[in-house]
Amino acid sequence: ETGVTQTPRHLVMGMTNKKSLKCEQHLGHNAMYWYKQSAKKPLELMFVYNFKEQTENNSVPSRFSPECPNSSHLFLHLHTLQPEDSALYLCASSQDGGRYEQYFGPGTRLTVT
Amino acid sequence: DQQVKQNSPSLSVQEGRISILNCDYTNSMFDYFLWYKKYPAEGPTFLISISSIKDKNEDGRFTVFLNKSAKHLSLHIVPSQPGDSAVYFCAAHSGAGSYQLTFGKGTKLSVIP
Repeated sequence: ETGVTQTPRHLVMGMTNKKSLKCEQHLGHNAMYWYKQSAKKPLELMFVYNFKEQTENNSVPSRFSPECPNSSHLFLHLHTLQPEDSALYLCASSQDGGRYEQYFGPGTRLTVT
Repeated sequence: DQQVKQNSPSLSVQEGRISILNCDYTNSMFDYFLWYKKYPAEGPTFLISISSIKDKNEDGRFTVFLNKSAKHLSLHIVPSQPGDSAVYFCAAHSGAGSYQLTFGKGTKLSVIP
């Protein structure tokens, strides 16, 4: 595997379900990110981890819970989501924060019913 | 309020001609700018970047121009090819110590054979 991978690619869940999104980067990067892309909106940064430590949380509701067990893996745990949480969730990584380009995975298309 | 704006949602260009994609920003703290390309069902792919200390950066068919006084940047693609058809996102970064990239909504480029 190369680059940034995400699983699953598609997910449909009910509002009472609990599910997790997984991201893995094979680039040797230190920083990992979760973004949300809703229809007709810009990509919105949700969380940043640098060397496994969370460094940014952009006022994301607590029904989204990130986990970063090591520099290569990032999870987004989902519970009691709302239909408006339906979106494309993208994971990215970078060598470090700052000026280094971020490399994105293919995303998970989430539908909350 | 959007800090990075791409005012053209779509653009159509003939194959072989120049494509010019525009981006405006409002935050004077932004000092590094990036362009990403996104195909359907894939994550954004880094294309080219420019630091605020430069006014031009070139990579093959892609050139990015930065006009700091106007808070405007543009991406030129010459010559345009059908494979360039994608959504192009402009993104901006506000300096060392911050991990946040602020994205525009994107411009969908269609290159007509």
